[in-house]
Amino acid sequence: AQTVTQSQPEMSVQEAETVTLSCTYDTSENNYYLFWYKQPPSRQMILVIRQEAYKQQNATENRFSVNFQKAAKSFSLKISDSQLGDTAMYFCAFMKHVTQGAQKLVFGQGTRLTINP
Amino acid sequence: KAGVTQTPRYLIKTRGQQVTLSCSPISGHRSVSWYQQTPGQGLQFLFEYFSETQRNKGNFPGRFSGRQFSNSRSEMNVSTLELGDSALYLCASSLAVLNTEAFFGQGTRLTVV
Repeated sequence: AQTVTQSQPEMSVQEAETVTLSCTYDTSENNYYLFWYKQPPSRQMILVIRQEAYKQQNATENRFSVNFQKAAKSFSLKISDSQLGDTAMYFCAFMKHVTQGAQKLVFGQGTRLTINP
Repeated sequence: KAGVTQTPRYLIKTRGQQVTLSCSPISGHRSVSWYQQTPGQGLQFLFEYFSETQRNKGNFPGRFSGRQFSNSRSEMNVSTLELGDSALYLCASSLAVLNTEAFFGQGTRLTVV
């Protein structure tokens, strides 16, 4: 079974600062996907960024980037130039690759990020 | 394009009752997954449906069930409600078997009293 661990329950930074959220996972799979989801107070889970395990290059989406270390099973999220709208719960999630069958996400416990003005 | 729609948004039920939650996926999406979110247990996978077939089920008691209709809309049912079933229930839809991006609805907040 896969597990995902987020060791930082809460973080707080000033607007415009850079913040890094940590995530480690455990799996025996070789082919899988990793995600960061954001859940603002509106409750809707929004995909921030995803990484395919077979790709060595770290994924980047505007101000969001990841540091994917496959051997260490580490998948951290870096938010640059943080904005007030980045305030939310952030969840790291794992999905094993399947060609047929259910797509099941395994989530970490989440990190509550607050951006202060 | 409309997103994933979950109804109702809020629900209050009494212990022992049953409840049905509804999820309408994004048009064209055939996979629908359900998750339970609680402060103590976090986000846990309930089940996933594709083309009206349940393909995977999480570690929940048989009181939790679901189904998917031919138009891909899905319902989940919880019978004999317990206080511990109070949670946010999230539905996610995705395009097809190889598509890994799941789009979530805003959830149904169920409170059992």
